[in-house]
Amino acid sequence: DSGVTQTPKHLITATGQRVTLRCSPRSGDLSVYWYQQSLDQGLQFLIQYYNGEERAKGNILERFSAQQFPDLHSELNLSSLELGDSALYFCASTWGHNTGELFFGEGSRLTVL
Amino acid sequence: AQKVTQAQTEISVVEKEDVTLDCVYETRDTTYYLFWYKQPPSGELVFLIRRNSFDEQNEISGRYSWNFQKSTSSFNFTITASQVVDSAVYFCALSEGDSGTYKYIFGTGTRLKVLA
Repeated sequence: DSGVTQTPKHLITATGQRVTLRCSPRSGDLSVYWYQQSLDQGLQFLIQYYNGEERAKGNILERFSAQQFPDLHSELNLSSLELGDSALYFCASTWGHNTGELFFGEGSRLTVL
Repeated sequence: AQKVTQAQTEISVVEKEDVTLDCVYETRDTTYYLFWYKQPPSGELVFLIRRNSFDEQNEISGRYSWNFQKSTSSFNFTITASQVVDSAVYFCALSEGDSGTYKYIFGTGTRLKVLA
């Protein structure tokens, strides 16, 4: 158990819909990272938050947005969903910025039909 | 720009064989951090090791060992006497310490299949 909690674990929805994925970081961790892993693909960095502020952005689509709340949990919002958005979305946390290891949640598997 | 290359897409070995997974990285920073993660069929990502750029000592943990060579920008991972439970996708990752990019960049992964 990494201490990072992601909900929901599985989500099935239709094209054009909007979903919200939630992440609770490990106790004490200030940084939250979001990654997308499509089928048999590597991990694509989406976005990072540190103590409530956005600090780094990767290949995140404009249809996607995220935020980190004062209690440090984070949400990733995916809208106008397309079939290609079907993937495993991971949240990871670490104490600081990018010097320590990332602790990953179990992921949220999104299926868009 | 930072980049991690894992040229081996898939490797199959027979149980008890030794296997080395290659990782080559690119960075302009002098301070950086390298990581290996394991993703078993169940899907979770498990942290294996972290190494900073100032520590080139090789590390051994049980059947696992890591060889860090700055001269060739490589951070290779060897499993000795492989077991079926080692079957997984292994990812190498890099984060830079000087440029303030705050990103962890992952390689595309190497799928290891250990056959009984």
